Amino acid sequence: GENVEQHPSTLSVQEGDSAVIKCTYSDSASNYFPWYKQELGKRPQLIIDIRSNVGEKKDQRIAVTLNKTAKHFSLHITETQPEDSAVYFCASSYGNNRLAFGKGNQVVVIP
Amino acid sequence: NAGVMQNPRHLVRRRGQEARLRCSPMKGHSHVYWYRQLPEEGLKFMVYLQKENIIDESGMPKERFSAEFPKEGPSILRIQQVVRGDSAAYFCASSPGTSPNTGELFFGEGSRLTVL
Repeated sequence: GENVEQHPSTLSVQEGDSAVIKCTYSDSASNYFPWYKQELGKRPQLIIDIRSNVGEKKDQRIAVTLNKTAKHFSLHITETQPEDSAVYFCASSYGNNRLAFGKGNQVVVIP
Repeated sequence: NAGVMQNPRHLVRRRGQEARLRCSPMKGHSHVYWYRQLPEEGLKFMVYLQKENIIDESGMPKERFSAEFPKEGPSILRIQQVVRGDSAAYFCASSPGTSPNTGELFFGEGSRLTVL
């Protein structure tokens, strides 16, 4: 099955700085890569996604970049704010209609 | 649109009892997924269902776990003879019928099972 790994497991940043989380995947056939944000005790929510026919996508302070050759993709959060503190999960598609998730990154924004 | 509805939100069971978790997908969605999340772990795929069909149960433990999505009513994840290791958050997600290759999964708030 698909194997998705995230680095680092925990990331602390000063408010206003940028945060970058990297994910690697194993299935070269994967073509859809979403990022989900999960606040404590809440459900995961999609924040941005990218498909394999593009290399970068941006939505306000959030961007995702994809390198299909190297099989990795990254989430970039600029001008971090306290409300960005959460666990972020990357995922990649595989097989028939399934998503494999990484273990998550705890992002802590220090005011 | 009420979103994906899961109940109960919290469930406490003693070892050996049965747990039943329910999930009503978003209106118009015909695909349901169950994921398990252990403390400080990621989301582990368990099973993928469409109405009256189990499409993929490769993530389900071979024993004690079963899932269904009947023609009428919610999807149900059933855990028989629960053990302490079953304690986790169980998330249901739905999609409108397009694959994750083209669209997002919408998650419910989760059902948190505690086995005493």
